[in-house]
Amino acid sequence: GAGVSQSPRYKVAKRGQDVALRCDPISGHVSLFWYQQALGQGPEFLTYFQNEAQLDKSGLPSDRFFAERPEGSVSTLKIQRTQQEDSAVYLCASSVGQGNSPLHFGNGTRLTVT
Amino acid sequence: GIQVEQSPPDLILQEGANSTLRCNFSDSVNNLQWFHQNPWGQLINLFYIPSGTKQNGRLSATTVATERYSLLYISSSQTTDSGVYFCAVVNTGGFKTIFGAGTRLFVKA
Repeated sequence: GAGVSQSPRYKVAKRGQDVALRCDPISGHVSLFWYQQALGQGPEFLTYFQNEAQLDKSGLPSDRFFAERPEGSVSTLKIQRTQQEDSAVYLCASSVGQGNSPLHFGNGTRLTVT
Repeated sequence: GIQVEQSPPDLILQEGANSTLRCNFSDSVNNLQWFHQNPWGQLINLFYIPSGTKQNGRLSATTVATERYSLLYISSSQTTDSGVYFCAVVNTGGFKTIFGAGTRLFVKA
């Protein structure tokens, strides 16, 4: 597609529910990133994929967070047993290269845990 | 890890005014981008500028990599320029993009 596509745009979950957030990167982009943005803050790194390999997951806040990119294209960020502190905007970005090319962001998924 | 500091944190301008936003970083970088996050949350690429100077309409940016800073110039500001401006860098040899805390700009009509 022309840009990075994320779905759903908004998600409301009750505390304890599992959620799955989808990212469809720009076709041919090798690198894919997930970021978490709390209200009034800058985006915080969660995890990075180079093709299907998850090279860095150091930013995932807990073992309730899991990300995958099985075929090196679409990625899913899954949050199990959601907590109120998980409420944030989850941003996906892709780039054609690895560290030396610009990031292109999707519109994000706004997750609200009630 | 690399630290990214942006200043000022908040800025209020009258429409038509000019401004300069600054980004300081603590280590060498091979990638630097400026983004504008609009009031709807969309992050828009402004410049990919690891070094040198670029211009796009009323906006321009300069990165002096050897001195570890970058500047974003906004001339003849418009109300649609309101939002948050982020500087984001990748450490030399790395791949992780680290964001500053942003400059929140409000342009009054």
